[in-house]
Amino acid sequence: AQSVTQPDARVTVSEGASLQLRCKYSYSATPYLFWYVQYPRQGLQLLLKYYSGDPVVQGVNSFEAEFSKSNSSFHLQKASVHWSDSAVYFCALSPLSGSFNKLTFGAGTRLAVCP
Amino acid sequence: AQTIHQWPVAEIKAVGSPLSLGCTIKGKSSPNLYWYWQATGGTLQQLFYSITVGQVESVVQLNLSASRPKDDQFILSTEKLLLSHSGFYLCAWSLNSDYTFGSGTRLLVI
Repeated sequence: AQSVTQPDARVTVSEGASLQLRCKYSYSATPYLFWYVQYPRQGLQLLLKYYSGDPVVQGVNSFEAEFSKSNSSFHLQKASVHWSDSAVYFCALSPLSGSFNKLTFGAGTRLAVCP
Repeated sequence: AQTIHQWPVAEIKAVGSPLSLGCTIKGKSSPNLYWYWQATGGTLQQLFYSITVGQVESVVQLNLSASRPKDDQFILSTEKLLLSHSGFYLCAWSLNSDYTFGSGTRLLVI
């Protein structure tokens, strides 16, 4: 079975501050890992993804994430947040193989950036 | 370029009424297609997936059904809506674990 845990339902930071959104996963092997962002009343947009190789992956809008196999984690980070980053962020996992790829989402973290 | 179009954008429906939501994929042949549901303030739950025309597998039972009448079309429907069907419905397609999501349909059942 596969699962994703985002332990923080809500995170509030000040504009210009650094950010880390936590994600822990459970899967028997190394999976594909994703971070998606959902702006109000919109669908999902892919921020970044990890398949293999360098554990630090760069994404859009200066986001990056670090994969840790030992900690089963894939935390999202940003050095300096902007008010427009306020949104809900979802971590997701997909198995490496199989014609049917089940993408499993975490519960999401709602980020509020205060001026 | 591949595009994914969902319709309608939003619906307000009465309990017990029928529902049909649609999704069309352009620019990709034989994609894997998915329906996801998101309760208000909740996470995304996969409802159905389809690997080929005419074949749909149910992942979660929510008194909904899905069909794939054409290679590029995925339909979500029910004959009788429940209050619990309210939420946000997302269609998606995938290739090699890369997912692309539509802009979603917001449904309110009253």
